[in-house]
Amino acid sequence: GAGVSQTPSNKVTEKGKYVELRCDPISGHTALYWYRQSLGQGPEFLIYFQGTGAADDSGLPNDRFFAVRPEGSVSTLKIQRTERGDSAVYLCASSPERANYGYTFGSGTRLTVV
Amino acid sequence: GESVGLHLPTLSVQEGDNSIINCAYSNSASDYFIWYKQESGKGPQFIIDIRSNMDKRQGQRVTVLLNKTVKHLSLQIAATQPGDSAVYFCAENMGDDKIIFGKGTRLHILP
Repeated sequence: GAGVSQTPSNKVTEKGKYVELRCDPISGHTALYWYRQSLGQGPEFLIYFQGTGAADDSGLPNDRFFAVRPEGSVSTLKIQRTERGDSAVYLCASSPERANYGYTFGSGTRLTVV
Repeated sequence: GESVGLHLPTLSVQEGDNSIINCAYSNSASDYFIWYKQESGKGPQFIIDIRSNMDKRQGQRVTVLLNKTVKHLSLQIAATQPGDSAVYFCAENMGDDKIIFGKGTRLHILP
């Protein structure tokens, strides 16, 4: 597609529920990144995929967070047993190759845990 | 949409004046730097980048300056327009595969 697409744009869920957030990167981009942005903060790195594999997941806060990219294109960020502190905007970005050529971000999914 | 960065430092600039947004980066090993613009309800948008072997780079109405001695980066926007209102983030890359964002600055344009 023309840009990075994220769905849904907004998600409200109850504490303890499971959620999935989807990212469609720019066609042909091999690198895909997930970030989390809390109000008043810059985006914080969560995980990076190169192709199908998670090359760096050092930013995932705990084992309730997991992400997949089974065919090297679309990625899904999965959050189990959601907590109110998980409320944030979750941003996805893609890059043709590596981070040092800059990324293109999607508009994000705003997750609210009530 | 919800405003990003309600508690960020704010720079107020008269329309038509030049804006200078500053950033101190954290790691002397960083070799690639980027400025992003983020409008309310949107993801960060790439503005301009610079590699560590340069100290200045110009784009359309924007200039980035890099001072590696003091680990300082600045973004200059010429003839600021209402559409420049946003939160601006500097970001750095240490040659690995992720970009680390700094704290943002909200740019407010006065009519």
